[in-house]
Amino acid sequence: SQELEQSPQSLIVQEGKNLTINCTSSKTLYGLYWYKQKYGEGLIFLMMLQKGGEEKSHEKITAKLDEKKQQSSLHITASQPSHAGIYLCGADNPIKAAGNKLTFGGGTRVLVKP
Amino acid sequence: DSGVTQTPKHLITATGQRVTLRCSPRSGDLSVYWYQQSLDQGLQFLIQYYNGEERAKGNILERFSAQQFPDLHSELNLSSLELGDSALYFCASSVDWNTGELFFGEGSRLTVL
Repeated sequence: SQELEQSPQSLIVQEGKNLTINCTSSKTLYGLYWYKQKYGEGLIFLMMLQKGGEEKSHEKITAKLDEKKQQSSLHITASQPSHAGIYLCGADNPIKAAGNKLTFGGGTRVLVKP
Repeated sequence: DSGVTQTPKHLITATGQRVTLRCSPRSGDLSVYWYQQSLDQGLQFLIQYYNGEERAKGNILERFSAQQFPDLHSELNLSSLELGDSALYFCASSVDWNTGELFFGEGSRLTVL
């Protein structure tokens, strides 16, 4: 089965600083999803990457999927307190006919110090 | 607000008991997913339904069962509860059955004492 490892597990950044989270897969990624979870709440979809080398941005958050499609990174520029939360990467089931068993990494806890 | 409604928000029960968690998907979404989130296991996929039929199954215990009704709401039944079943149970929904863009509810926090 596919496993996703996220690093770091947690990080504390000063407001205004940049941060990067990595997600490494044990197998080729056919679809990589980034979600954000505020503590004790549900997950919110951020963005999806499917093609090797693909890069997407939304406001101050940029996500990339490497060419070999086994690693993705999430980069936040000029972090703000609103960026605090848990970021999770999720991977698609490569066998589409088997439904969508989205597998998630362990998450990265982000704390932004004002 | 994701549009996905889960009830109850909090539930405290004893070992050996049975509980039912309920989920109403976003209007128009045909697929419903159940996930379990705990500190030691992280976010684990349990089961997916699409338009009333089971579509995919994950690490769901035999003591757990789920169904999706004709009005598309879903229920997750947990029986013979053990201490280790204490977790946050999320329901998510999506329009289609093969997309990873899911809309999550706020979860039902189950505490088994």
